[in-house]
Amino acid sequence: DAGITQSPRHKVTETGTPVTLRCHQTENHRYMYWYRQDPGHGLRLIHYSYGVKDTDKGEVSDGYSVSRSKTEDFLLTLESATSSQTSVYFCAIRANTGELFFGEGSRLTVL
Amino acid sequence: GESVGLHLPTLSVQEGDNSIINCAYSNSASDYFIWYKQESGKGPQFIIDIRSNMDKRQGQRVTVLLNKTVKHLSLQIAATQPGDSAVYFCAENGSSNYKLTFGKGTLLTVNP
Repeated sequence: DAGITQSPRHKVTETGTPVTLRCHQTENHRYMYWYRQDPGHGLRLIHYSYGVKDTDKGEVSDGYSVSRSKTEDFLLTLESATSSQTSVYFCAIRANTGELFFGEGSRLTVL
Repeated sequence: GESVGLHLPTLSVQEGDNSIINCAYSNSASDYFIWYKQESGKGPQFIIDIRSNMDKRQGQRVTVLLNKTVKHLSLQIAATQPGDSAVYFCAENGSSNYKLTFGKGTLLTVNP
């Protein structure tokens, strides 16, 4: 157990509604990441954070925003969810030796 | 729900056999590589890593081989067990020390 908790684990929402996914870590690691996973695409980086209030875009950042007000929490927000954002979202933290440890995932369905 | 295993290359082996899963990576600047295992409904789990100054690294029942000349990575699992059934991903760091790029994965099925 890498000390990562994602919430909610499952969510169904409607197109156009805002959604926030939360990632909480107990390891005090500096780097945190949000990935999405879709069949045929593998894991793709949405946004990542390299410290409190320090974030940067990944390869699929359009339609997503993030915030990191505390070391332990990294929030992913869909301001206006679309059906193309139906996916499984994984949060990860980076260990000092370079490997990423992942949470259990949040499955989001946008109707 | 739809499985992450759909549309993936698949490898089917008998219990007790050795498995070899291959990965071609894309960025010649990558100097750090990781193999992950993902079981259905769970997050990816770290298995083993290797840096570019090595061409082989062994763990418990697993060995990773790195061929930088042809940008190829492989994961060997000895005496494969039913519990090894999962999707296996390789990841590379590209030109970044802080981001990983993942392959699409291989679905390993172990038949008892």
